[in-house]
Amino acid sequence: DSGVTQTPKHLITATGQRVTLRCSPRSGDLSVYWYQQSLDQGLQFLIQYYNGEERAKGNILERFSAQQFPDLHSELNLSSLELGDSALYFCASSNDMSSGNTIYFGEGSWLTVV
Amino acid sequence: GQNIDQPTEMTATEGAIVQINCTYQTSGFNGLFWYQQHAGEAPTFLSYNVLDGLEEKGRFSSFLSRSKGYSYLLLKELQMKDSASYLCAVRDPSNDYKLSFGAGTTVTVRA
Repeated sequence: DSGVTQTPKHLITATGQRVTLRCSPRSGDLSVYWYQQSLDQGLQFLIQYYNGEERAKGNILERFSAQQFPDLHSELNLSSLELGDSALYFCASSNDMSSGNTIYFGEGSWLTVV
Repeated sequence: GQNIDQPTEMTATEGAIVQINCTYQTSGFNGLFWYQQHAGEAPTFLSYNVLDGLEEKGRFSSFLSRSKGYSYLLLKELQMKDSASYLCAVRDPSNDYKLSFGAGTTVTVRA
């Protein structure tokens, strides 16, 4: 158990819908990262937050957005869903955005768009 | 940008040794990580190198050469449970310290 908690674990929804994935980082970690992993692709970095502020952006679609709340939990919002958005979405956390500290991954949220 | 390359697949026999190479080209460097990921599960941290040389942790060792942009992960005394994907990741301080991952190397351990 990494200490990073993600909900829901599994989600099936229809095209055009909107979903929210939730992440609670490890206790004391200020940085939260979101990654997308499709069946035929590696881990794709989406976005990073540090202590409530956006710090880095990767290949995140405009239909997707995220935020980190004062209690440090984070949410990833996916809207106008398409079949190609079906993937495993990982949240990860670390306690220092700039050091070599390890980032720890949650168990992921499986999203299936039908 | 980042370019992280590692072989797609490797196969080895139980009890043997396998070396997974990773080469990277990044604008900056602030550490290289190796993660293990079983299918459908979360990546789990294996090792971290920021200085040149070898880091050993039990059956797993990781090596880094910053001048060559090269690392390897050495898995010794392979066990069936080591069958997994191994991900090389580089943190780049010139790119907001993002941790970028290679596509992963799928290692299959055969009896």
